[in-house]
Amino acid sequence: EAGVAQSPRYKIIEKRQSVAFWCNPISGHATLYWYQQILGQGPKLLIQFQNNGVVDDSQLPKDRFSAERLKGVDSTLKIQPAKLEDSAVYLCASSLEGILNTEAFFGQGTRLTVV
Amino acid sequence: QKEVEQNSGPLSVPEGAIASLNCTYSDRVSQSFFWYRQYSGKSPELIMSIYSNGDKEDGRFTAQLNKASQYVSLLIRDSQPSDSATYLCAVNMPLNAGGTSYGKLTFGQGTILTVHP
Repeated sequence: EAGVAQSPRYKIIEKRQSVAFWCNPISGHATLYWYQQILGQGPKLLIQFQNNGVVDDSQLPKDRFSAERLKGVDSTLKIQPAKLEDSAVYLCASSLEGILNTEAFFGQGTRLTVV
Repeated sequence: QKEVEQNSGPLSVPEGAIASLNCTYSDRVSQSFFWYRQYSGKSPELIMSIYSNGDKEDGRFTAQLNKASQYVSLLIRDSQPSDSATYLCAVNMPLNAGGTSYGKLTFGQGTILTVHP
């Protein structure tokens, strides 16, 4: 069974530029999560999708971050414009359902450096 | 108060010893709990899940849950240098959206474990 796929693996951009990350979840997984992990910290949930609907985006900085999952499968996360503090690893995860007793599996992540 | 709290460590144990990792959570109605292992530069890997009070054993790993105390722990027996990693506690907190209950998977800051030969 293929795991969660993410691209690109690494990205370096200048501040105020825009960037987009892509995620393809495990086949059949209805729930997709985007996390931001700053060095030395635990993952912070940015947005959670159930199929193509948003379940939670309370910690997404909506003035600069956006995410979509149009067909309920793959998803993109965009940052525009980027700030220095956005330097982090962006992790995508998926689970079968978003109900309480389901396990989430992570992709390899995208390491973003903003200079 | 943080939703999920862990001691960031580092926790250093000798090879062959028992490593004990602890986690507390704030939402009393949380129902499912997970331990992830994260090697440096890698993504989190699920190693244990626990849903009911008591102990759950899987090989050298034992997860313990006490919902009354809002406390979950991970014991690693016969620790090996290859166990050296950051251990993340994750709690699935209930979230209602559109009349349906979901789980919002919230992580602690992680505990760095070092097992020295």
